[in-house]
Amino acid sequence: EPEVTQTPSHQVTQMGQEVILRCVPISNHLYFYWYRQILGQKVEFLVSFYNNEISEKSEIFDDQFSVERPDGSNFTLKIRSTKLEDSAMYFCASSTGTGPYEQYFGPGTRLTVT
Amino acid sequence: AQSVTQLGSHVSVSEGALVLLRCNYSSSVPPYLFWYVQYPNQGLQLLLKYTTGATLVKGINGFEAEFKKSETSFHLTKPSAHMSDAAEYFCAVRTSGSARQLTFGSGTQLTVLP
Repeated sequence: EPEVTQTPSHQVTQMGQEVILRCVPISNHLYFYWYRQILGQKVEFLVSFYNNEISEKSEIFDDQFSVERPDGSNFTLKIRSTKLEDSAMYFCASSTGTGPYEQYFGPGTRLTVT
Repeated sequence: AQSVTQLGSHVSVSEGALVLLRCNYSSSVPPYLFWYVQYPNQGLQLLLKYTTGATLVKGINGFEAEFKKSETSFHLTKPSAHMSDAAEYFCAVRTSGSARQLTFGSGTQLTVLP
C-alpha cells in the first residue's frame, strides 16, 4: 500500500541553524501539506501546496518557513533560522485532487532545537 | 472559523467494553469530518471519514462514527475494545469549500485495561 515517507525521523539542530525536512508524498497525489505538533499540543496546519505553489498557509508559516517540490517526488520544508519554539513533530501529508481530499500522513520528523 | 473539541483527554476502558470517544465541531458550512489514530512513534492513520450521505460511517479495525448535525457531533465508537486499540485518537474537520486544511482536536489517549 502506498504511503508517505519522511526523513529524517529525528533531527537535532542548534538555534539559528537552517534545517530541511524531507517528504515523499504518495505518487499520484496532487496536494501536499505540512503540519506540526508541539509536544502536548494539537496538530496544527502550516501550509498546503498545489501545482508548484502555496495554496494556503497559516499564521504560523511566517517568513522563516518555505516549501519546495524540487523534483517529481520530494516535498521539503525549510526552516531558515530555527528557534527553540520550533521544536515539534512535523508531519507531511498528501491527498488526491478529487473527493473530500482525505489526507494521508507520514510518520513525522521530530525536530529538536537546542 | 472551524474548531474541534474532544471531550476527555484520557479515556480508559476494559478489554471487551464499549469504546466511546467524543468529538464536537463547529463549522459555518457543511463539514467533512475525520478520525485519525496515532500509535506510539507512528504517524496519523486515517480511521474513517464523513463526507455526505449516510451519517453512520464505518472505518477500519471495527470503529464507526455517527454524524449528528443537530448536535454538531461526530463521536467514535467500537463495540468491544481490544488491547491493540490503545493509541491516541484525533478528530479533525475540513470545511467543504476550497480550503483543504484540517483542523484537529486536542486528541484523546485511549487506554485498554486487561
